[in-house]
Amino acid sequence: EVQLVESGGGLVQPGRSLRLSCTASGFTFGDYGLSWVRQAPGKGLEWVGLIRSKTYGGTTEYAASVKGRFTISRDDSKSIAYLQMNSLKAGDTAVYYCVRLLRLTRYNAMDVWGQGTTVTVSS
Amino acid sequence: DIQLTQSPSFLSASVGDRVSITCRASQGISSYLAWYQQKPGKAPKLLIYAASTLQSGVPSRFSGSGSGTEFTLTISSLQPEDFATFYCQQLNAYPLTFGQGTRLEIK
Repeated sequence: EVQLVESGGGLVQPGRSLRLSCTASGFTFGDYGLSWVRQAPGKGLEWVGLIRSKTYGGTTEYAASVKGRFTISRDDSKSIAYLQMNSLKAGDTAVYYCVRLLRLTRYNAMDVWGQGTTVTVSS
Repeated sequence: DIQLTQSPSFLSASVGDRVSITCRASQGISSYLAWYQQKPGKAPKLLIYAASTLQSGVPSRFSGSGSGTEFTLTISSLQPEDFATFYCQQLNAYPLTFGQGTRLEIK
């Protein structure tokens, strides 16, 4: 079964750091780009960033709201992606989803979603 | 950034109804549009990608159309399990963006 499982969420104080993990199974992890999407309580979906597969350079893209504070990385040998979140703010409070990117000639959709992990930033 | 505006934001309909949701992009995005369904407390699920391609396993009552700046998700005959919130997403340019969502409720 193709699956993504997030972990690492929790309660953290403003200004502190947290690292989320996304563990994949059921597919060849290294062949896919991965993205993070978040959803604040009662709100819509917000794209956070993505990391391409090594085939496409393993490079990253970020939303302006997190650029310079969040870093996405991957360890293909372990089938894990990470979201390092620094200088956290109350506005970062959300459920964070790890998602697999479907690529045809370019990224066309997010076809596999994890169950999400909750991050709460509060003092 | 490319803005996506969904209409309506809220829709009340009955089982068996045909419903359509529109997603308008602030600039042309070719066919780089996807639709997702999200039920309360659950992760979103991919329904349609490349504007009109049905994701494997998704019932054929769901269909997508459009290109450029205007797109439509249609459910031909609503079933009880279809009531949820629907989002469009553009993947033409960074940052990737989502529409604000359309909540579909039972009348």
